[in-house]
Amino acid sequence: GAVVSQHPSRVICKSGTSVKIECRSLDFQATTMFWYRQFPKQSLMLMATSNEGSKATYEQGVEKDKFLINHASLTLSTLTVTSAHPEDSSFYICSARKGQGNYGYTFGSGTRLTVV
Amino acid sequence: AQTVTQSQPEMSVQEAETVTLSCTYDTSESDYYLFWYKQPPSRQMILVIRQEAYKQQNATENRFSVNFQKAAKSFSLKISDSQLGDAAMYFCAYRGSGYGNKLVFGAGTILRVKS
Repeated sequence: GAVVSQHPSRVICKSGTSVKIECRSLDFQATTMFWYRQFPKQSLMLMATSNEGSKATYEQGVEKDKFLINHASLTLSTLTVTSAHPEDSSFYICSARKGQGNYGYTFGSGTRLTVV
Repeated sequence: AQTVTQSQPEMSVQEAETVTLSCTYDTSESDYYLFWYKQPPSRQMILVIRQEAYKQQNATENRFSVNFQKAAKSFSLKISDSQLGDAAMYFCAYRGSGYGNKLVFGAGTILRVKS
């Protein structure tokens, strides 16, 4: 199957610091990965589309300077929340798609970020 | 832009009974894919079932089946013989046929299973 590993699962950081979240496709190459943010009991909100070797495409309203996305290889994408503030506390999920055709997207297990 | 609507914020079902979750979508594309994802309390997103728009036959995965009505742009999920482990948030999702197209999610339906 297609497995996506996301780390860390939980992180607490101080306000003003930066935190990096990693998303790895373990058994397939993912030219495109997606980053979502989810608030409790709400749907997934797409933040950005990460393309290997090129700049990420951010959704409207998402601050690209605050949420830095790097997709340096076909198996790794990272999301860095810079100068984090309490309002950035949320659940962040990555996903990747294996190949073309009718494949669903495989999701990482998510990262719960708490900024104190 | 494509939109996905789930009009049932919460649903309840008695264990062993059947429940249907509703989903409608809006698109101008003729070729696309539809999905149902389950998100249990662990928050891990799990693919439940998928449907290609060009297929008339409704997809089935064990106790899970869909009623895909392309003309009506409706894609409901039926869960038969409900189990306690089915309790979760269920999301309907749409993806266009282009490579790399993003998933568009509905707002979700919380399913509670009563014993």
